[in-house]
Amino acid sequence: NAGVTQTPKFQVLKTGQSMTLQCAQDMNHNSMYWYRQDPGMGLRLIYYSASEGTTDKGEVPNGYNVSRLNKREFSLRLESAAPSQTSVYFCASSEAVPSGAGNTIYFGEGSWLTVV
Amino acid sequence: SQQGEEDPQALSIQEGENATMNCSYKTSINNLQWYRQNSGRGLVHLILIRSNEREKHSGRLRVTLDTSKKSSSLLITASRAADTASYFCATVENSGYSTLTFGKGTMLLVSP
Repeated sequence: NAGVTQTPKFQVLKTGQSMTLQCAQDMNHNSMYWYRQDPGMGLRLIYYSASEGTTDKGEVPNGYNVSRLNKREFSLRLESAAPSQTSVYFCASSEAVPSGAGNTIYFGEGSWLTVV
Repeated sequence: SQQGEEDPQALSIQEGENATMNCSYKTSINNLQWYRQNSGRGLVHLILIRSNEREKHSGRLRVTLDTSKKSSSLLITASRAADTASYFCATVENSGYSTLTFGKGTMLLVSP
């Protein structure tokens, strides 16, 4: 039962470096998400992919890019990391977007990213 | 911007006591969901309540929804130390294509 798997678990970057967070789900879900979690801010949606071949901006997309590589995989890229991107990043998936059918979301275990 | 706002921000109780957390939101919703997050882990779905429902139960969990007041509550009965976690409400707006918007969470500490 892998569910949602994201890598790496921990990463330290220098300002200006780039990196990609990888995410894969094995539940045959159509929709995938990237959230970031900061102290006192709850979770904020960065980007999501309602279905394979589509991606849309969430609440805080600036400084990030995403790729829905196939139905299973959804990656998040930081092109030029900034200290403000220090956060915990969560990948998640659901059968479909939560509106209408009320689909619940399944989360990965998180990736701790520090930008110095 | 955050839709749900949990109250209290932190709650400390003894094992066996009941824990009540509240969530207020701003816009018309399709459904509201509660999630739990143990320290250092991802979020886990607990329960979903639709806008046309008023109360829902799942084991020791009871969720109510008052759409006229735009509020929901999560009650955990007979709490256990293992219930120690952060609890988040998340709403799905009633405006077409919508994703989940999370509140800032309530941190619950249950002492043995």
